[in-house]
Amino acid sequence: AQTVTQSQPEMSVQEAETVTLSCTYDTSESDYYLFWYKQPPSRQMILVIRQEAYKQQNATENRFSVNFQKAAKSFSLKISDSQLGDAAMYFCAYRSADSNYQLIWGAGTKLIIKP
Amino acid sequence: EAGVAQSPRYKIIEKRQSVAFWCNPISGHATLYWYQQILGQGPKLLIQFQNNGVVDDSQLPKDRFSAERLKGVDSTLKIQPAKLEDSAVYLCASSINRDPTYEQYFGPGTRLTVT
Repeated sequence: AQTVTQSQPEMSVQEAETVTLSCTYDTSESDYYLFWYKQPPSRQMILVIRQEAYKQQNATENRFSVNFQKAAKSFSLKISDSQLGDAAMYFCAYRSADSNYQLIWGAGTKLIIKP
Repeated sequence: EAGVAQSPRYKIIEKRQSVAFWCNPISGHATLYWYQQILGQGPKLLIQFQNNGVVDDSQLPKDRFSAERLKGVDSTLKIQPAKLEDSAVYLCASSINRDPTYEQYFGPGTRLTVT
């Protein structure tokens, strides 16, 4: 069975600086998708960024980028120029591209932005 | 475009009582998901619908939980009778279809407290 591990329960960063959130996963599949979701205190989960495993190029979305290391089964999220609005829980998630379409979630990392 | 709607936002009940949650997905979305998110954990899929049919309910405690999506649009999740360990946030999400290339959009959730 696939698993997703986020080893950092909490991270803090100074406003305008860069922070990296870690995620590792375990799977025997070769084709899958990886996601980072943001959950602000209001609780509405929002997709931040997505990576297809067959793409070698790391995904980027404005200030958010990932470092996808397929062999190491690592998928970290880098947030550049951190802003107060980035404060939230961040969840890493895995989804098979095959018959099992369920999202497998990590436990989350709480990101604190210091003004 | 209107987002995923959920009600109520908060509910407090005593153990052994029953409770129901309602979800209205984004218009045109065939796939609807119910997740349970216990404090400090990532979401856990309870049930997935494709139109009005159940695709995956392997993690739904069927002795006390039930869900329906009769007309393939809105959905209701029921707990009867509730236990203390059911205290959690119940998230509803929808997507155009099951294909993992389509994003899941989440509602604001219902926070259930069982006393």
